[in-house]
Amino acid sequence: SSELTQGPAVSVALGQTVRITCQGDSLRRYDASWYQQKPGQAPVLVIDGRNNRPSGIPVRFSGSRSGNTASLTITGAQAEDESDYYCNSRDSSGYYWVFGGGTKLTVL
Amino acid sequence: QVQLQESGPGLVKPSQTLSLTCTVSGGSMSSGGYYWNWIRQHPGKGLEWIGYIYYSGSTNYNPSLKSRVIIGIDTSKNQFSLELNSVTAADTAVYYCASMPWVVGATRYFDYWGQGALVTVSS
Repeated sequence: SSELTQGPAVSVALGQTVRITCQGDSLRRYDASWYQQKPGQAPVLVIDGRNNRPSGIPVRFSGSRSGNTASLTITGAQAEDESDYYCNSRDSSGYYWVFGGGTKLTVL
Repeated sequence: QVQLQESGPGLVKPSQTLSLTCTVSGGSMSSGGYYWNWIRQHPGKGLEWIGYIYYSGSTNYNPSLKSRVIIGIDTSKNQFSLELNSVTAADTAVYYCASMPWVVGATRYFDYWGQGALVTVSS
């Protein structure tokens, strides 16, 4: 089982705001990064561990962290945002990396 | 911009060794500044970090796979490699190589990924 827990699925109406969460004890100490994965494609970094967006990632994507929870927020979700999203951080030892189980986002 | 490309056999027999190579372009591995990672994804499942190697040769492996994994590097060819021995059907997955930049502090992330290589373990 993963040390980072994500809800399996979330839906959002087109143009609305959605938050995808990731919980784990290690998040009290370490930042989380977020990845978008479309079917048959490699994951793409959308938020780095410092809550920055890489070049080319729309401004509607943002990240935050509080306590043991990291969040990815999409403000004004678009149809092309429909994807699986994974969080990643260090494990509780701090020496290894773990991914959350992934959240499937549906844009209605 | 860094680009990564996996290569290797798509079919491996049980009990044998899975071997993959990742070729890096757009930057020299010998200049440092990056950890070079392997990550896998079982069919229809989530992502699993396998381990990384630094240009110096230092490695770090997922404890759950450590006894079976070797990650190597050849900076002269701008390549790094994955060997996973004693494979079973449970090792059937898409294997990705990915770069992780070294930054000041504890923050780490995977900024560039290869397209992935499906490896099936079957007799």
